[in-house]
Amino acid sequence: SQTIHQWPATLVQPVGSPLSLECTVEGTSNPNLYWYRQAAGRGLQLLFYSIGIGQISSEVPQNLSASRPQDRQFILSSKKLLLSDSGFYLCAWSGDGNTQYFGPGTRLTVL
Amino acid sequence: DQQVKQNSPSLSVQEGRISILNCDYTNSMFDYFLWYKKYPAEGPTFLISISSIKDKNEDGRFTVFLNKSAKHLSLHIVPSQPGDSAVYFCAASPSGGYNKLIFGAGTRLAVHP
Repeated sequence: SQTIHQWPATLVQPVGSPLSLECTVEGTSNPNLYWYRQAAGRGLQLLFYSIGIGQISSEVPQNLSASRPQDRQFILSSKKLLLSDSGFYLCAWSGDGNTQYFGPGTRLTVL
Repeated sequence: DQQVKQNSPSLSVQEGRISILNCDYTNSMFDYFLWYKKYPAEGPTFLISISSIKDKNEDGRFTVFLNKSAKHLSLHIVPSQPGDSAVYFCAASPSGGYNKLIFGAGTRLAVHP
């Protein structure tokens, strides 16, 4: 069966510091991968998606970037965090169908 | 511009009764719709989905209804249980969109004894 992992689970970072969040998927090949952010009391906003290694599409202009160095690895990064980057970050994968399956999420607090 | 709207931020229902969560969308290119359930500090869990070629899909206590002419879908939970208390997100996928999902803002369901 497929499993999706995210780490770290929680992170507190100062403004201006770098960020690296990692997501890995097990039990499937060539998944579509997605990064979402949920701000406090809001819905899920799609940040990036990837249909293959090295292929990244950005949905909204922002202070973040994404990379997919391996088939089942998706990384969310920032060179300098802003206060507005605080939120709950979710990674998801999908196969051939429309259903996306989410990881446990990372709670990021920027101080 | 919100393409998927959940106009009720919260809903309170008595245990054993029916819960009805509503969702409206504006984009006629959406052809697949999903409902997710989310507990605090956890990732959303897929509940049920429906293709635009259908108007109803049922899975146990959960039924999703789709009214394409009204661009409206709803999730019915019967009977409601305390464990159903969570935030429910409606999501829609446009055809040919690499399975991208557009989410509503969510509805917090509270099921009380």
